[in-house]
Amino acid sequence: AQSVTQPDIHITVSEGASLELRCNYSYGATPYLFWYVQSPGQGLQLLLKYFSGDTLVQGIKGFEAEFKRSQSSFNLRKPSVHWSDAAEYFCAVGAVPGTYKYIFGTGTRLKVLA
Amino acid sequence: EAGVAQSPRYKIIEKRQSVAFWCNPISGHATLYWYQQILGQGPKLLIQFQNNGVVDDSQLPKDRFSAERLKGVDSTLKIQPAKLEDSAVYLCASSFPRGRGTDTQYFGPGTRLTVL
Repeated sequence: AQSVTQPDIHITVSEGASLELRCNYSYGATPYLFWYVQSPGQGLQLLLKYFSGDTLVQGIKGFEAEFKRSQSSFNLRKPSVHWSDAAEYFCAVGAVPGTYKYIFGTGTRLKVLA
Repeated sequence: EAGVAQSPRYKIIEKRQSVAFWCNPISGHATLYWYQQILGQGPKLLIQFQNNGVVDDSQLPKDRFSAERLKGVDSTLKIQPAKLEDSAVYLCASSFPRGRGTDTQYFGPGTRLTVL
């Protein structure tokens, strides 16, 4: 069965430091992968997505993610974190056969220290 | 372009009461989704509509939850009667269907339900 694992429930980084949020997936074929961000009291906003092609994907707000098939990973990165990046981040896999639904991970809550 | 609209934003009810949530998708988006997001978890799909037809409702607790999308535009999700474990954020999303799992879903702000 398809699944998404985000191993880190909470991550704390200092403002200006680099960030990497981990995402591992289980899927039989080439997955469609997404990263969403959820600020407190808000819905989910799409940061970036991977469908095919270049395995390094650029997104909004300075985020990027790299698809590594050999590791079944799609980690999110940002070279320098801003205080406004504090939020919850969700990885999702799409294209579940027969439907178009997403399977979401449990999320990683990011805290940014001034 | 207006985003996905949801109302109300917050709702507090007692167990065994009924409640309804409303969603208006982005104009032109034929696919509409309702998700349940329990605190500390990722969103879980409850039901997916394509126009006014149900595509997937395999995880909808049909003994108490119902949803409709009359005329293929806005949608309502109802819970009757509510249980304590229904406390969650209910998210609505929509997408423009291209017939593949690559469709990007756009989310509304959600309705936070508290059942006492």
